[in-house]
Amino acid sequence: QKEVEQNSGPLSVPEGAIASLNCTYSDRGSQSFFWYRQYSGKSPELIMSIYSNGDKEDGRFTAQLNKASQYVSLLIRDSQPSDSATYLCAVIENGNNRKLIWGLGTSLAVNP
Amino acid sequence: GAVVSQHPSWVICKSGTSVKIECRSLDFQATTMFWYRQFPKQSLMLMATSNEGSKATYEQGVEKDKFLINHASLTLSTLTVTSAHPEDSSFYICSAGLGQFPYEQYFGPGTRLTVT
Repeated sequence: QKEVEQNSGPLSVPEGAIASLNCTYSDRGSQSFFWYRQYSGKSPELIMSIYSNGDKEDGRFTAQLNKASQYVSLLIRDSQPSDSATYLCAVIENGNNRKLIWGLGTSLAVNP
Repeated sequence: GAVVSQHPSWVICKSGTSVKIECRSLDFQATTMFWYRQFPKQSLMLMATSNEGSKATYEQGVEKDKFLINHASLTLSTLTVTSAHPEDSSFYICSAGLGQFPYEQYFGPGTRLTVT
């Protein structure tokens, strides 16, 4: 059973702090990894994809991938109340259908 | 770029009727589209994967005769909920996949279905 695991939270950080979200995956052959943000009652929004070991930065967001440890993380710098949402980690399932294997999500609350 | 639309955004129908939901990729061609369902405070549940011009692949436990999927073109997939019942009330979301590595998926805004 291929799995993606995340801490459900809630993770609570003060405004302006760094929020750190973590994810582990079971399939060592996975190649593509994604972070999505989902506000309550809305559909998921892609924040970032990553497929090479190391860091990838986009604005206030940094994704980190360590394939040896089967670990993906997302850092949000200068957290804002508008970042309060559920953050979903997803991994492409090996095979032809390219469907995503999802974590259950981490709820983030940024307090003003 | 990578915009996906869904129509309608919400629909109310009577039990026993059918409802069609459209999913369009507006600025890219999507060889693969995915249909999800999400109940309140629960995780996304993949219902099926559709490839342009071929039959959809349904996840275990999803009734293919109840949830009809058609992917007639590289920019349009439709989900028809046939003979809807109140337990089919849910948030239905489609996503469209880019055809090249790393195969990012972009989601439509979702359709909220209420069956009375």
